[in-house]
Amino acid sequence: RKEVEQDPGPFNVPEGATVAFNCTYSNSASQSFFWYRQDCRKEPKLLMSVYSSGNEDGRFTAQLNRASQYISLLIRDSKLSDSATYLCVVNRGTGNQFYFGTGTSLTVIP
Amino acid sequence: EAQVTQNPRYLITVTGKKLTVTCSQNMNHEYMSWYRQDPGLGLRQIYYSMNVEVTDKGDVPEGYKVSRKEKRNFPLILESPSPNQTSLYFCATSWGSEQYFGPGTRLTVT
Repeated sequence: RKEVEQDPGPFNVPEGATVAFNCTYSNSASQSFFWYRQDCRKEPKLLMSVYSSGNEDGRFTAQLNRASQYISLLIRDSKLSDSATYLCVVNRGTGNQFYFGTGTSLTVIP
Repeated sequence: EAQVTQNPRYLITVTGKKLTVTCSQNMNHEYMSWYRQDPGLGLRQIYYSMNVEVTDKGDVPEGYKVSRKEKRNFPLILESPSPNQTSLYFCATSWGSEQYFGPGTRLTVT
């Protein structure tokens, strides 16, 4: 079983729509959770960390459910510039390995 | 400017010809790692290093070597490249849990 699993999409949504991505992880010992964004042929960049209480950064909201080993990312009021691949990332602890999901592709359509 | 640099950015080589991809960071981070990214498989960790002279295998270390003789540099060595090592390679450094990626090296082995 993969460490991290994501629906690859693609998600094609109109501007202004709300879209949600989900991710599951297999190892209950995982401690840190992140969403990264990757534009085509570019390096991944941190979008946001995911905290147990949930956290919000502008139009982006991340949630963590440890009982179900499930992470989500909600994007409200989608912009054309949100088009990218979103990577779910899990870490078992500082200094240990990072595990990446295969990514979910989002295209925001005018 | 804080940055992670990789060289070369693009490389086409032949089977069996030893090569080194360099990675350098100016952020004084202790943790560095190498990933490869392949379609449908996402980013997979090859090796990581928690500090100078400390390296550990990631998920896909076969066919690769690394060294960490100084904090800023973490070269990836392919002693005898094979076509299945054709991939997009990223170097990353980490402060706490956030990772900063280099721009990537696209390697083709014929």
